Amino acid sequence: DTGVSQDPRHKITKRGQNVTFRCDPISEHNRLYWYRQTLGQGPEFLTYFQNEAQLEKSRLLSDRFSAERPKGSFSTLEIQRTEQGDSAMYLCASSSTGGITDTQYFGPGTRLTVL
Amino acid sequence: AQSVAQPEDQVNVAEGNPLTVKCTYSVSGNPYLFWYVQYPNRGLQFLLKYITGDNLVKGSYGFEAEFNKSQTSFHLKKPSALVSDSALYFCAVRGVYSGAGSYQLTFGKGTKLSVIP
Repeated sequence: DTGVSQDPRHKITKRGQNVTFRCDPISEHNRLYWYRQTLGQGPEFLTYFQNEAQLEKSRLLSDRFSAERPKGSFSTLEIQRTEQGDSAMYLCASSSTGGITDTQYFGPGTRLTVL
Repeated sequence: AQSVAQPEDQVNVAEGNPLTVKCTYSVSGNPYLFWYVQYPNRGLQFLLKYITGDNLVKGSYGFEAEFNKSQTSFHLKKPSALVSDSALYFCAVRGVYSGAGSYQLTFGKGTKLSVIP
């Protein structure tokens, strides 16, 4: 049973650079979520896909953030012109269409450090 | 808007003693409630969820949680703590409604559980 995978696990970048993260969901899951977790806080919702359609976006997702899921499988999250405040753990989760009660399963996360 | 409160930043318990990690929630209508555990530098691992039915929910690794609608609480419990249970525990809520925001989870700030040998 392969879980949610994320790549890279760690990313260090300089302020102003662009970064891209990848998430591979559990293979039969058609829903995919991105969350951001800062130190001492719980995860905060960023965006959600059902298949390739991006159905929800949080106000936390500024114009510098963009997410895609081009073929309804893996997803990418890009941050342009990174800022020090973007330093956080970026978590991906997936779930299957089992009604509204489906459970979200999380990947190991990508820890971003912006210098 | 939905919210979750975990009133204790840290809970310390001796190995073998029962443990409780507290969670209260606020949501419009009926809630879906979840507990996740996070080990250092790792993602979140699902423990259990309440959807409907029996107020006592059993989950992974001997954990259980009790839903109390009148107190809007969903406390996590385990009869006998293990040192390996030491981790960060998150409670999360999702409202039972359709439309925008239906699927996003709202998390508490987390409670660090330390089980002392």
